[in-house]
Amino acid sequence: GAVVSQHPSWVICKSGTSVKIECRSLDFQATTMFWYRQFPKQSLMLMATSNEGSKATYEQGVEKDKFLINHASLTLSTLTVTSAHPEDSSFYICSARNGDRGYNEQFFGPGTRLTVL
Amino acid sequence: GENVEQHPSTLSVQEGDSAVIKCTYSDSASNYFPWYKQELGKGPQLIIDIRSNVGEKKDQRIAVTLNKTAKHFSLHITETQPEDSAVYFCAASSPYALNFGKGTSLLVTP
Repeated sequence: GAVVSQHPSWVICKSGTSVKIECRSLDFQATTMFWYRQFPKQSLMLMATSNEGSKATYEQGVEKDKFLINHASLTLSTLTVTSAHPEDSSFYICSARNGDRGYNEQFFGPGTRLTVL
Repeated sequence: GENVEQHPSTLSVQEGDSAVIKCTYSDSASNYFPWYKQELGKGPQLIIDIRSNVGEKKDQRIAVTLNKTAKHFSLHITETQPEDSAVYFCAASSPYALNFGKGTSLLVTP
């Protein structure tokens, strides 16, 4: 149980285009999903927290107009990187929290490698 | 906010030896302490966790200890194997915020 998938696993795009990444909880309902980015040899950096049916909460320094997050259902959240630039190249990882648990137990997806040319 | 310190940043052990990774946290409200293993190019995988009302937890070769008074917790891996080689992250969590350490790169040599 507690499986989280991400799609695509990797994507290469041209500068100025937009890229959408999907995160799905496969066997549980995720009231809260989280988006992280990770640079090589660094820790995970939380970008935003999204609750089903409401607007995402972004961390300080993360541009909400550039990183659009939608959490339309209890099993799906999407991250859209708009007008991507080479500096947006990174490893993007989502996680999902099972709303039934009292602790902040998060299950992570396999990540999406974004390369912007 | 919460500050999680993790040591060492790199650790090299011989197969069969034990490995210990230590973390400290600052927020006394943190009540959940997971450990994640991340292999190259993959997402973090939860390997063990401990809650604030427990001092120690063991799962086969992996154990975690928690000292709430001193605000530190540790991961112990016994009888290490080459497949244990990965980056390990500790985290400290309040009900809604998960704060990660900077990671430990563990290398187990045959």
